[in-house]
Amino acid sequence: NAGVTQTPKFQVLKTGQSMTLQCAQDMNHNSMYWYRQDPGMGLRLIYYSASEGTTDKGEVPNGYNVSRLNKREFSLRLESAAPSQTSVYFCASSDPVQGGNQPQHFGDGTRLSIL
Amino acid sequence: AQSVTQPDIHITVSEGASLELRCNYSYGATPYLFWYVQSPGQGLQLLLKYFSGDTLVQGIKGFEAEFKRSQSSFNLRKPSVHWSDAAEYFCAVGLFSGGYNKLIFGAGTRLAVHP
Repeated sequence: NAGVTQTPKFQVLKTGQSMTLQCAQDMNHNSMYWYRQDPGMGLRLIYYSASEGTTDKGEVPNGYNVSRLNKREFSLRLESAAPSQTSVYFCASSDPVQGGNQPQHFGDGTRLSIL
Repeated sequence: AQSVTQPDIHITVSEGASLELRCNYSYGATPYLFWYVQSPGQGLQLLLKYFSGDTLVQGIKGFEAEFKRSQSSFNLRKPSVHWSDAAEYFCAVGLFSGGYNKLIFGAGTRLAVHP
């Protein structure tokens, strides 16, 4: 069972470079999410996609763009990387049932360093 | 505004000792509550969840948590800790807001286990 798959697992960029983080899920979930995790701050939502064809900003969207390519795939793009974007990035997915009671399933993360 | 507080940043216990990780939340309605565990270099794995009913919920790996509405708490417990339990633990509140299932995370508690 693959669940949520993220690529790459590690990446080092120089300031100003661009990069796309890939995420795919095989659980037929409609909703997908991108988080960043920084020490002492838990996980913060960058963007989400409630269903195929829709995307919206989360708590910390500045400097990022997303694409919901199809139901399975949700990518995160850094157009011009900055050192402040050094972080661990997690993709997650869930069923879209209203009520907030659906757990999210997480990938193993992408560890991104920007020099 | 909704928030989750995990008062303990780091906890160290001896193997075989009991464990309690604290979680307090701020939310106006009945919350959906989750505990996730993150092993080093891994993504987040769901330990357990509370939606309604019995306030003591059982999870995987021998963990349990108790919902106490009067204290706005959802503390995680384990009677006897194993060295493999060393990880970071996140409490989260789930709610449906803005058209999607949203998770609000605490900052996490890092657990170290001494042999």
